[in-house]
Amino acid sequence: NAGVTQTPKFQVLKTGQSMTLQCAQDMNHEYMSWYRQDPGMGLRLIHYSVGAGITDQGEVPNGYNVSRSTTEDFPLRLLSAAPSQTSVYFCATRQYNSPLHFGNGTRLTVT
Amino acid sequence: AQSVSQHNHHVILSEAASLELGCNYSYGGTVNLFWYVQYPGQHLQLLLKYFSGDPLVKGIKGFEAEFIKSKFSFNLRKPSVQWSDTAEYFCAVTLSSGGSYIPTFGRGTSLIVHP
Repeated sequence: NAGVTQTPKFQVLKTGQSMTLQCAQDMNHEYMSWYRQDPGMGLRLIHYSVGAGITDQGEVPNGYNVSRSTTEDFPLRLLSAAPSQTSVYFCATRQYNSPLHFGNGTRLTVT
Repeated sequence: AQSVSQHNHHVILSEAASLELGCNYSYGGTVNLFWYVQYPGQHLQLLLKYFSGDPLVKGIKGFEAEFIKSKFSFNLRKPSVQWSDTAEYFCAVTLSSGGSYIPTFGRGTSLIVHP
């Protein structure tokens, strides 16, 4: 039982490049979400999904896209990377109102 | 919109000292409350949670938290910290009914415990 799996663990991009951060879960959780973590800012919600085919914006959605074609996967796409998107990204899932289960994170650097 | 305030941004203690980290939330309705811990280089994991019942909640590793409804607070405590408690601690709140239960997180408290 892998829980929440994020890939890659580390990524370096040049400004303007695009990439997709992967998140997969095997717990059949309906709710999936993406956070970014920056020093002194805590966790900020980027996008979330309450089920397959349903996504919505969080606190800081600009520059990011998501889709939820299956219950298991919730990829986060950076359309045109900017240095301000340098951060640690966490995928988190949950069933109903239970505690969140977090992935191990992706450390992204944009130069 | 609900918000969560963690008053202590950085806390430095010596081993065996007592710990109390403050957490206040702004929402006046019925809420569920969580404390998460993030050890250096790792992801967040649940420390303890409060949904209902006894307002004094026991968590893992000797941590506890007390829900005081009248003060909108959910402070985290540990009588005697260890070096291994060095981590970042996040308080979070969700509505207990209705909506999509989107958690609101505090900005976190960095705890350093000196041996």
